[in-house]
Formats: sequence, structure tokens, C-alpha cells
Amino acid sequence: AQSVAQPEDQVNVAEGNPLTVKCTYSVSGNPYLFWYVQYPNRGLQFLLKYITGDNLVKGSYGFEAEFNKSQTSFHLKKPSALVSDSALYFCAVRALGGATNKLIFGTGTLLAVQP
Amino acid sequence: ETGVTQTPRHLVMGMTNKKSLKCEQHLGHNAMYWYKQSAKKPLELMFVYSLEERVENNSVPSRFSPECPNSSHLFLHLHTLQPEDSALYLCASSQVELAGRDTQYFGPGTRLTVL
Repeated sequence: AQSVAQPEDQVNVAEGNPLTVKCTYSVSGNPYLFWYVQYPNRGLQFLLKYITGDNLVKGSYGFEAEFNKSQTSFHLKKPSALVSDSALYFCAVRALGGATNKLIFGTGTLLAVQP
Repeated sequence: ETGVTQTPRHLVMGMTNKKSLKCEQHLGHNAMYWYKQSAKKPLELMFVYSLEERVENNSVPSRFSPECPNSSHLFLHLHTLQPEDSALYLCASSQVELAGRDTQYFGPGTRLTVL
């Protein structure tokens, strides 16, 4: 079965420090991977995606993610956290096949950046 | 903010009411989606419409009835709901071209409370 896991319910980091939000996946074949962010009372906003090519993907708001095929991971990173980065982050993997190639989402990781 | 709007943003209804959620996308996309987001659970894909045809229905109870009159509009008709249907309902759209490479863009959601 195809799945995605976010092992941490919450990540705490001080402003200015680097942050990492973890994501691992399980799919058959090549994965298409996505990160979204959700601020309170808002929908999901697209941050970045990996389809093919360079393993380091750069996205919105200074975020980047590294695709690691051997570790089946796609961790989200930012060199210097801001208080405004505090939000709920979702990793998703595209499950190919069927009529729609649906997205499978993780349960989310709450990022709390302390001033 | 992302080109996908949803109304109403908040809805409180009794179990015997009939109401509808509306979604409109201004991105020229050819696919639209309904998701249910409940606390502590992954996003659940409910329905998918591609080129105005329903292509996926993930075992959703019949008290939820989708409608896609054109490629820009998507409705979710609700009747005789249960309290456990209380959740954030998210609409998304994407331009499905190369298999699996499309990005879904989300609306802000409708917070539904069933009394």
C-alpha cells in the first residue's frame, strides 16, 4: 500500500535556527512528492514538489526539501526559521494508477517557532 | 488568495437540514476535488471531477452529493448529516496534463458544524 508518514506531531524551534520537518513515504515506482502548509483557519497552500531531476527542491518562503531515494524521505527544511512560519505542514505523495492519481497526505506536523 | 474560493466559510446546521457548499476556481483548471479534514486524521479525498465528469467517489455516504455543472464550479449538497460529519471541507483544483505531475491548489475551506 502506498503511504506517507510524518513521524513528529510537533516540532519546536527557536527563531533564527534551522528547521527540519520530516516525511517518509512508501510507493511502488517513482514517487511524486509534495509539501503544503496550512495556517489557522485557512486552506492548504502549496510549498514545493519533487517530480524528477535535482534532489534538492526549492519552494516558496525560503523552504526547500531534499529527496532521498535510498531513505525514502522528503524532509522539509529552512535555514533560518521565522515566527511567521508557525503553521501545520503536510507532506503528500502521488499514488499513480487508477483514474485520478490521487494525493495521499500525511497526518501533518505542527511547527512552532518561538521568538 | 490561491484562486480557489469557497462559500460559506462557516456553516452550522441541524441533522435534518439541507445545505450546499460552493467552490469556484479561477485558475482555468480541468479537475476539481472535495476533501474532508478532521482533527488528528489525514485529509480524506471524497470526490474527484475531471472535465466535469465524476471519476472518483471514495465510499462517501449518500448524504453527501456532489455536483459539477462546469469546470469552474463544484458543489457539495448536504442532507441529514450526522454530528461526526463536522469537519473542515476543502475544495481543490488542478490542471491534469502529464500523469501525476499536476499540483492541487486549495480553497480556504468551509468549517461545518452539525448539531
